Amino acid sequence: DSGVTQTPKHLITATGQRVTLRCSPRSGDLSVYWYQQSLDQGLQFLIQYYNGEERAKGNILERFSAQQFPDLHSELNLSSLELGDSALYFCASSLTSGQSSDTQYFGPGTRLTVL
Amino acid sequence: DAKTTQPPSMDCAEGRAANLPCNHSTISGNEYVYWYRQIHSQGPQYIIHGLKNNETNEMASLIITEDRKSSTLILPHATLRDTAVYYCIVRATGTASKLTFGTGTRLQVTL
Repeated sequence: DSGVTQTPKHLITATGQRVTLRCSPRSGDLSVYWYQQSLDQGLQFLIQYYNGEERAKGNILERFSAQQFPDLHSELNLSSLELGDSALYFCASSLTSGQSSDTQYFGPGTRLTVL
Repeated sequence: DAKTTQPPSMDCAEGRAANLPCNHSTISGNEYVYWYRQIHSQGPQYIIHGLKNNETNEMASLIITEDRKSSTLILPHATLRDTAVYYCIVRATGTASKLTFGTGTRLQVTL
């Protein structure tokens, strides 16, 4: 158990819909990272928040957005969902803003299925 | 980020040591080498990381060559539960440090 929690575990929805994925970081960690893992793309970095502020962006679509709240939990919002958005979404957390020696710990993931 | 090269798959007999190689010939002097593994579709699990010196923890040992161009992750006594995809990752420097996952090595531990 990494200490990072994600809800829900599974999510099934229809194209065009909007969903929210939730992540609670390990106690004391200030950074939250979101990753997407699809069959054809592998594990890809989406976005990072540090202490409530966006710190880095990866290949995140404009239809996707995220935020980190004062209690440090984070939400990833996916809208206008397409079939290709079906994937595993992982959240990770780390203590600092992302120094090279700062270890990221991953949550169990949310499996999103878009029908 | 420095690119890493790993064999796509390896087999290991249960109880034997599993030695997983990784090539990172373009690594910079202040970049760390990280190893994670992913068992089936679970979240990636942190194993170990190092900069220059060899490292050991309760899960594994990490051997980094003197020129830092390659490393080996050693699972000393592999079990069936170690069957997973193992990722070798070089961490970029800077204050926003994503992990860039490659395709990893699929380790199959057999009886």
